Amino acid sequence: DIQMTQSPSSLSASVGDRVTITCRASQTISSYLNWYQQRPGKAPKLLIYAASSLQSGVPSRFSGSGSGTDFTLIISSLQPEDFATYYCQHSYATPWTFGQGTKVEIK
Amino acid sequence: QVQLQESGPGLVKPSQTLSLTCTVSGGSFSSGSYYWNWIRQPAGKGLDWIGRIFASGSTRYNPSLKSRVTISVDTSKNQFSLKLSSVTAADTAVYYCVRASRGAVGATGTIDSFDIWGQGTMVTVSS
Repeated sequence: DIQMTQSPSSLSASVGDRVTITCRASQTISSYLNWYQQRPGKAPKLLIYAASSLQSGVPSRFSGSGSGTDFTLIISSLQPEDFATYYCQHSYATPWTFGQGTKVEIK
Repeated sequence: QVQLQESGPGLVKPSQTLSLTCTVSGGSFSSGSYYWNWIRQPAGKGLDWIGRIFASGSTRYNPSLKSRVTISVDTSKNQFSLKLSSVTAADTAVYYCVRASRGAVGATGTIDSFDIWGQGTMVTVSS
């Protein structure tokens, strides 16, 4: 199985901050990488697909980059509704696997 | 818009079979552009992909659960179902049914993503 490792596991930030979350795959996965946001008690929501494509309806402050084994999710200006847990996920080959999550908390 | 809704018992006894159904409304259930998945999340933990099925009935399972999992489809009802046998407390989790969309063609096939999720249903394994 391809292992996905996110860093950091958690972070504290203020409204307006720029936030960067990284995801590393245990082998090359080209651009087969997606990002999700999960608010407490809710189902995950797709933010970014194919490493850098913004899902319809997702604010443009979210962006993704990377290819191969190293990927980044950036929130350019953190908003109150962005406090949540973020997961990366590969779709290179089954079984699909997720990172362990990055919890973004209010400073 | 497409909506997914899980249904099934919230409590299952150890060693028994967990059974859930997902009803899909508002979209093209049988389109080849999509396939249908089960994903679970133990309380306070991350997400685990269980398996997927196409409307044609083609399945693929996570090897970690393969011996215990069966996913089936009923296109006449726009439903797909999960059966997980011989459950233990470790199977206690929120279970999500999820649509996957087939994306751009990449080096090894389409770059797919889980674009629509059900609200999730909590299943507890306990006697």
